[in-house]
Amino acid sequence: AQTVTQSQPEMSVQEAETVTLSCTYDTSENNYYLFWYKQPPSRQMILVIRQEAYKQQNATENRFSVNFQKAAKSFSLKISDSQLGDTAMYFCAFMKHGGTYKYIFGTGTRLKVLA
Amino acid sequence: KAGVTQTPRYLIKTRGQQVTLSCSPISGHRSVSWYQQTPGQGLQFLFEYFSETQRNKGNFPGRFSGRQFSNSRSEMNVSTLELGDSALYLCASSLAASSGGGSDTQYFGPGTRLTVL
Repeated sequence: AQTVTQSQPEMSVQEAETVTLSCTYDTSENNYYLFWYKQPPSRQMILVIRQEAYKQQNATENRFSVNFQKAAKSFSLKISDSQLGDTAMYFCAFMKHGGTYKYIFGTGTRLKVLA
Repeated sequence: KAGVTQTPRYLIKTRGQQVTLSCSPISGHRSVSWYQQTPGQGLQFLFEYFSETQRNKGNFPGRFSGRQFSNSRSEMNVSTLELGDSALYLCASSLAASSGGGSDTQYFGPGTRLTVL
């Protein structure tokens, strides 16, 4: 069975600084997808970034980038130039390739951006 | 395109009652998944529907059931409610095209907050 671990329950960062959120996972699968979602206090879960395991290149989306280390089963999220609107719960999620459409989520990291 | 919508947004029920939650996916999306979110257990997968068929199921008791209609809209039903069923129920939809290319990504609705008294 797959598991996803987020070892940082809470983090804080000063506005305009950079912060990295950690995520590790355990799987015997070779093809899978990894995601980071944010859930602001309004509760709507929003996709931040997506990575396909077969792609070695790390995904980037504007200020958000990942460090995907497949051998180490690590998938960290880097937020550059942090903004107050980045304050949210961040969830790392794993999904097997092959049409399962079942996410395994980590327990989340609560990020607070300080003015 | 409109996002995933869920109704109702808030619901209060008493133990023993049953409840039905509704989810309308993004237009064109064929897969609908349901998750339960609680402070103690986090986000847990309930089930996934595709073309009116349940394809995947999580580890929840039979009191939790669902269905999907021909227009991809989905409903989730919980019978004989227990206090522990109080949670935020999230619905997510995916394009789920065989061509891949990001169609596996799930887009979430705002959730239904269920409180069981």
